[in-house]
Amino acid sequence: GAVVSQHPSWVICKSGTSVKIECRSLDFQATTMFWYRQFPKQSLMLMATSNEGSKATYEQGVEKDKFLINHASLTLSTLTVTSAHPEDSSFYICSASRPGEFASPLHFGNGTRLTVT
Amino acid sequence: AQTVTQSQPEMSVQEAETVTLSCTYDTSENNYYLFWYKQPPSRQMILVIRQEAYKQQNATENRFSVNFQKAAKSFSLKISDSQLGDTAMYFCAFMKRPQKLVFGQGTRLTINP
Repeated sequence: GAVVSQHPSWVICKSGTSVKIECRSLDFQATTMFWYRQFPKQSLMLMATSNEGSKATYEQGVEKDKFLINHASLTLSTLTVTSAHPEDSSFYICSASRPGEFASPLHFGNGTRLTVT
Repeated sequence: AQTVTQSQPEMSVQEAETVTLSCTYDTSENNYYLFWYKQPPSRQMILVIRQEAYKQQNATENRFSVNFQKAAKSFSLKISDSQLGDTAMYFCAFMKRPQKLVFGQGTRLTINP
């Protein structure tokens, strides 16, 4: 069964509002989680690395003030899209690895489809 | 920076045929890992197969096998006896520490009945 749960699966919000996406590791503690973004018919692009108890590490070109990441516990990371705009509409996917599994395939959530109207 | 290139945007084969998806990558690293992921219409990312760069033997998982050519930086995926359920987007991915994945552009594979 799934080891990483992502919620919600889809969300529609109005421009200017904020939306929070949750990523939970179900049966293991994940000190590190990753957030990806996928545009239609395109590949996954890493947005940021979420580190438990410390600040997230953002990839170049990703606005950290717009995409707020909080990793307050060993099983939960959240991505908040602040002041959302239609161009933020996308598919967001999180992933996590079990501790000690460096070469693990990373376990992915089911993704969240965000539509900003 | 590492890059991963999949030169085949789309492929289509008949059920039971064999198909090979290509992938090349660029890195200066010596120790790394390569993966093939499948993304069906459900959008769930599913690991198909992985290869450790320090292992010369090509990885195999049932009907899926890879042809890993380290010197050429090539990592192709062969699907034998293709099935309708193999229809999906396939992504080649590169990983080194600390577990960051770099994905290729993807190949949309369609298996026709």
